[in-house]
Amino acid sequence: DAGVTQSPTHLIKTRGQQVTLRCSPKSGHDTVSWYQQALGQGPQFIFQYYEEEERQRGNFPDRFSGHQFPNYSSELNVNALLLGDSALYLCASSRSTGVPNQPQHFGDGTRLSIL
Amino acid sequence: QQQVKQSPQSLIVQKGGISIINCAYENTAFDYFPWYQQFPGKGPALLIAIRPDVSEKKEGRFTISFNKSAKQFSLHIMDSQPGDSATYFCAASSRSDYKLSFGAGTTVTVRA
Repeated sequence: DAGVTQSPTHLIKTRGQQVTLRCSPKSGHDTVSWYQQALGQGPQFIFQYYEEEERQRGNFPDRFSGHQFPNYSSELNVNALLLGDSALYLCASSRSTGVPNQPQHFGDGTRLSIL
Repeated sequence: QQQVKQSPQSLIVQKGGISIINCAYENTAFDYFPWYQQFPGKGPALLIAIRPDVSEKKEGRFTISFNKSAKQFSLHIMDSQPGDSATYFCAASSRSDYKLSFGAGTTVTVRA
């Protein structure tokens, strides 16, 4: 049973460029959340996708956008990259069962470095 | 602002000892409190979680204690082992909020 998989594992970009990160949720999960984890800090919520729609968004600018596909996989896009966007980007998946607060399971993340 | 405050920032414990990590929150709507364990280069792994209808939950060597009136919860790692050396994060969420709000993390080092 594959867990949450993310690609690529590492990425180096320069300021002003655009990046796309990918996530495949755990088998049986239909909800995907994205988090940003700066070095030495806890993950910060970017947004959550369910039924191919953005269900909730954290305090991140519009440069951060996403998409969810019919197979529940998801992409995170970041435009006009800034040095401060350097971080570990984590994808978490969960199962919507009608019961709130279902456990979120994380992938190993994409380490994004901006030069 | 940080919705969940976690302490200490780091701790060192001898093998076989007890590690204790504390978290406090203000939002009384929070009703789900998971703990995650993260090793270097890996994503956070769900360790144990508690809901406010119980005051304690134990899974193996890991125990969560929950004090609803004080709005505090803690993780106890009994018989700490070198393999427990990792960063631990507490988190919280509410029924009306799909996101997890994380603490800043505690780095635990278990000395053999």
